[in-house]
Amino acid sequence: SQTIHQWPATLVQPVGSPLSLECTVEGTSNPNLYWYRQAAGRGLQLLFYSVGIGQISSEVPQNLSASRPQDRQFILSSKKLLLSDSGFYLCAWRLSGRSDEQYFGPGTRLTVT
Amino acid sequence: GIQVEQSPPDLILQEGANSTLRCNFSDSVNNLQWFHQNPWGQLINLFYIPSGTKQNGRLSATTVATERYSLLYISSSQTTDSGVYFCAVGEGTTSGTYKYIFGTGTRLKVLA
Repeated sequence: SQTIHQWPATLVQPVGSPLSLECTVEGTSNPNLYWYRQAAGRGLQLLFYSVGIGQISSEVPQNLSASRPQDRQFILSSKKLLLSDSGFYLCAWRLSGRSDEQYFGPGTRLTVT
Repeated sequence: GIQVEQSPPDLILQEGANSTLRCNFSDSVNNLQWFHQNPWGQLINLFYIPSGTKQNGRLSATTVATERYSLLYISSSQTTDSGVYFCAVGEGTTSGTYKYIFGTGTRLKVLA
């Protein structure tokens, strides 16, 4: 069966510091991958999605970037964090061509101080 | 892009009560999911339901695609049903996948 991992689970970072969040999927190949952000008490905002290695689509221009160096690895990065980057970051996957459902990882709770 | 609205925004129930949550969307879709976000933040898949009716235990869902809405029914609610319920609509992309638009959610609290 498929499993999705995210780390770290929680992170406290000062303003201006870099960020790297990692998401990996096990038990499948060539998944579609997604990064979402959820502000406190709000809905989910799609940030990036990827249909394959090196292919990144950005939904919201902002202080973040994404990369997909391997088939089942998706990384969210920032060179300099802002206070407004605080939130709950969720990674999701979808099995392209086989299923239209997406499945979510456990999330990373980021606090920028 | 597609707009997704959910109602009510907040709901408080006594244990054992029934409820109906609604999701309206602004354009025709062929991809719709319901999720439950538990108090720890985990998003749990409830239904993939672009059209028709499905049931899973005390939960059921109906999507009327032609009228652009979906309903989630919770019967005999339990305290473990508490959390936020999201509707998400998939919009096709030029790269051959879907990107998902989430509603603002319904926050449910079930009292013992």
